[in-house]
Amino acid sequence: DAKTTQPTSMDCAEGRAANLPCNHSTISGNEYVYWYRQIHSQGPQYIIHGLKNNETNEMASLIITEDRKSSTLILPHATLRDTAVYYCIVRVAEGDDKIIFGKGTRLHILP
Amino acid sequence: DAGVIQSPRHEVTEMGQEVTLRCKPISGHNSLFWYRQTMMRGLELLIYFNNNVPIDDSGMPEDRFSAKMPNASFSTLKIQPSEPRDSAVYFCASSSRVAKNIQYFGAGTRLSVL
Repeated sequence: DAKTTQPTSMDCAEGRAANLPCNHSTISGNEYVYWYRQIHSQGPQYIIHGLKNNETNEMASLIITEDRKSSTLILPHATLRDTAVYYCIVRVAEGDDKIIFGKGTRLHILP
Repeated sequence: DAGVIQSPRHEVTEMGQEVTLRCKPISGHNSLFWYRQTMMRGLELLIYFNNNVPIDDSGMPEDRFSAKMPNASFSTLKIQPSEPRDSAVYFCASSSRVAKNIQYFGAGTRLSVL
């Protein structure tokens, strides 16, 4: 799996858009970008994934650059409940089942 | 579906005792994962099963740890004997064949070994 690089921590004001970056410069053509988050004292939660097109669901939007070397997870109107650690993971769709969670980005939503 | 169900939610035991953690995956999912999370080491994959068969146990710390999946709806992680350094939150997760990289996690078991 390609290596990912994320900032250690970020702050965002409540009600504003939270933009979480992820670098994956060694991504290969068949690797997807997945995002999970872990709210304190809970298990990780899948958010969204994409290959090369931008994706949106009820939780977030995922913007992948044209060269696919980086991506941004966008929480359009952050709330205090979005305070969590966010993990960016790059995986092939049909590889083995192991997911390695790195250190992620600790997002603090400020009131 | 109720999601992945783990029990107990909290376990406090004394060093040397046997500990058994339990997990019920989401119905229809064919892969099951056991993770351990500590402040020092983050979230670590211990073992995972496909169709009830252990596929990769390279993350299991040592022989004191064992995991079983006797059927598609139940798995256990056993620690015998337990040690204080085993104190952690243990998560179980499951995924389906059609979405292998989308794992659904349980609420976890917080284990404290005194």
